[in-house]
Amino acid sequence: DSGVTQTPKHLITATGQRVTLRCSPRSGDLSVYWYQQSLDQGLQFLIQYYNGEERAKGNILERFSAQQFPDLHSELNLSSLELGDSALYFCASSVAVGQGAKNIQYFGAGTRLSVL
Amino acid sequence: GNSVTQMEGPVTLSEEAFLTINCTYTATGYPSLFWYVQYPGEGLQLLLKATKADDKGSNKGFEATYRKETTSFHLEKGSVQVSDSAVYFCALSEDSNYQLIWGAGTKLIIKP
Repeated sequence: DSGVTQTPKHLITATGQRVTLRCSPRSGDLSVYWYQQSLDQGLQFLIQYYNGEERAKGNILERFSAQQFPDLHSELNLSSLELGDSALYFCASSVAVGQGAKNIQYFGAGTRLSVL
Repeated sequence: GNSVTQMEGPVTLSEEAFLTINCTYTATGYPSLFWYVQYPGEGLQLLLKATKADDKGSNKGFEATYRKETTSFHLEKGSVQVSDSAVYFCALSEDSNYQLIWGAGTKLIIKP
């Protein structure tokens, strides 16, 4: 158990809908990362938050947004869903920001999103 | 830009065989290198890491050496077990960058 909790485990929804994925980081970790894993594009970094503030952005679509709350949990909001958004969404957390290998990321089990 | 290239899978081996999964990288600076493993139905777990040239990361019988001259970080294990069946990801991170850059993943299948 990595200590990172993601809910829900599975989500089935229709095109055009909006969903929210939730992540609770490991105790003491200030940084949260979101990744998308799909068959055609592999693992892609979406966005990172550190202590409530956005720190880095990757290949995140404008239809997607995220935030980190004062209790450090994070939510990823996906709207106007398309079939191609079906994927496994991972959250990871780490103690600090940057610092290369000192910044080990611990992953949750993921949320599998199916858009029908 | 930075990138990671892994050998395509699936790699199928018999139990107790020797394993090599190739990983090469492109980076502008001096990255840290990682191997993560994803067991079926689970999230990614850090397997091992190396922070500078000639460092060797090791864990659970797996090893990888950071080779700057060949920009490689190949994963090896002397004798694989059925329980090693999983998807293995090579990744890099630079101190100036907060994100992990991932390889495509290599699926490993070990047959008894």
